[in-house]
Amino acid sequence: DIVMTQSPDSLAVSLGERATINCKSSQSVLYSSNNKNYLNWYQQKPGQPPKLLIYWASIRESGVPDRFSGSESGTDFTLTISSLQAEDVAVYYCHQHYSAPYTFGQGTKLDIK
Amino acid sequence: EVQLVESGGGLVQPGGSLRLSCAASGFTFSTYWMHWVRRAPGKGLVWVSRINSDGSSTTYADSVKGRFTISRDNAKNTLYLQMSSLRVEDTAVYYCARGGVKGVTGTVGRLDPWGQGTLVTVSS
Repeated sequence: DIVMTQSPDSLAVSLGERATINCKSSQSVLYSSNNKNYLNWYQQKPGQPPKLLIYWASIRESGVPDRFSGSESGTDFTLTISSLQAEDVAVYYCHQHYSAPYTFGQGTKLDIK
Repeated sequence: EVQLVESGGGLVQPGGSLRLSCAASGFTFSTYWMHWVRRAPGKGLVWVSRINSDGSSTTYADSVKGRFTISRDNAKNTLYLQMSSLRVEDTAVYYCARGGVKGVTGTVGRLDPWGQGTLVTVSS
């Protein structure tokens, strides 16, 4: 199974500041035939289901604010919130769908400092 | 509006069975992969199972293989998860989620949207 490891487990950032969440996969999730990383990012707020933010590692889902961005470097992936807003308090998960079982990272809890 | 509504959760004793349903609306259900994902209290998301658009192919997490069965009724726009030999560690909120559309490469596991979830509690 592919293991997804997120860091940190939690972080607190001041409003308007940048938040960065990292995710590392234990093996490549790059599908060579289309050169896409099968890596998603989700946001889950308390009492709500998860919401897709980013797919293929760096493509923002429709309707997601442009302060959210995803990047990749080999098996390392990053979710960046450029200017933290109060409504961004949530748990964030990376998720690989390159091979089943489709594993999630353990989650990163983001709070306001 | 695309909508997924889970039902069927509840309290069940260890060793018991339960069937979850997920009613889909607002899209052509029969053309999409579908998934179940769970979140135990205080824990993170865990992928459980997936099924292809016509129900001919299914995959499971090792932790539920042989105990859970995913299925779908495309005429009723409904996804199911039959759970048997339930364990205390199966206690969780179970979400259904839509995957990608048939024939579009790289979208099988792109989970969007998700239902609100249904709580399964396994306890004596």
